[in-house]
Amino acid sequence: DIVMTQSPLSLPVTLGQPASISCRPSQSLVHHDGNTYLIWLHQRPGQSPRRLIYKVSDRDSGVPDRFSGSGSGTHFTLNISRVEAEDAGVYYCMQATHRPLTFGGGTKVEIK
Amino acid sequence: EVQLVESGGNLVQPGGSLRLSCAASGFPLRAYFMTWVRQSPEKGLQWVANINPDGSESYYADSVKGRFTISRDNAKNSLYLEMKSLRAEDTALYYCTRAISSDWWGQGTLVTVSS
Repeated sequence: DIVMTQSPLSLPVTLGQPASISCRPSQSLVHHDGNTYLIWLHQRPGQSPRRLIYKVSDRDSGVPDRFSGSGSGTHFTLNISRVEAEDAGVYYCMQATHRPLTFGGGTKVEIK
Repeated sequence: EVQLVESGGNLVQPGGSLRLSCAASGFPLRAYFMTWVRQSPEKGLQWVANINPDGSESYYADSVKGRFTISRDNAKNSLYLEMKSLRAEDTALYYCTRAISSDWWGQGTLVTVSS
């Protein structure tokens, strides 16, 4: 199984400042079809996860452009250019290239 | 608007069975892979199973293989998860999600396995 290692575990951020979360899969996420199915999810307290980013860098509909995803190989990053209060919660990376699909352990973003 | 509404979660004894349902609306269910994902404080998010659009192929996590069965009824816009021989470690909030990459999530239904 592919292990998805996220860091940091916790990320205190000041409003308006940038934030960056790292995700390192234990092996390549390049699918036979050439795509890389690396996904970022956001879960607010008491809510279901919401997909933000798919295929490394494609933003889902309605996701603010302050969120961006990047990376390749075995290192991927979610960046928030200027953190807003609604961005608090836990962020997960997930790979959908190989079965079983696997998730990172989560990064808790807290607003200072 | 896409909506996924899970139901069927309950308290069940070890070794017991349960059937979860997911009612889908706002999109053509027959066009999508569908997925069950569970979440617990101990193990975080875990992929459970998924099924192809016409229901002819299904895939399972090793931890549930042989005990859980995913199925669908596209005419009823519904996804199901039949769970047997339940164990304490199956205790979790179970989410129905759309597509392999989980672009939409339901609100979840809670399964508690305990004597």
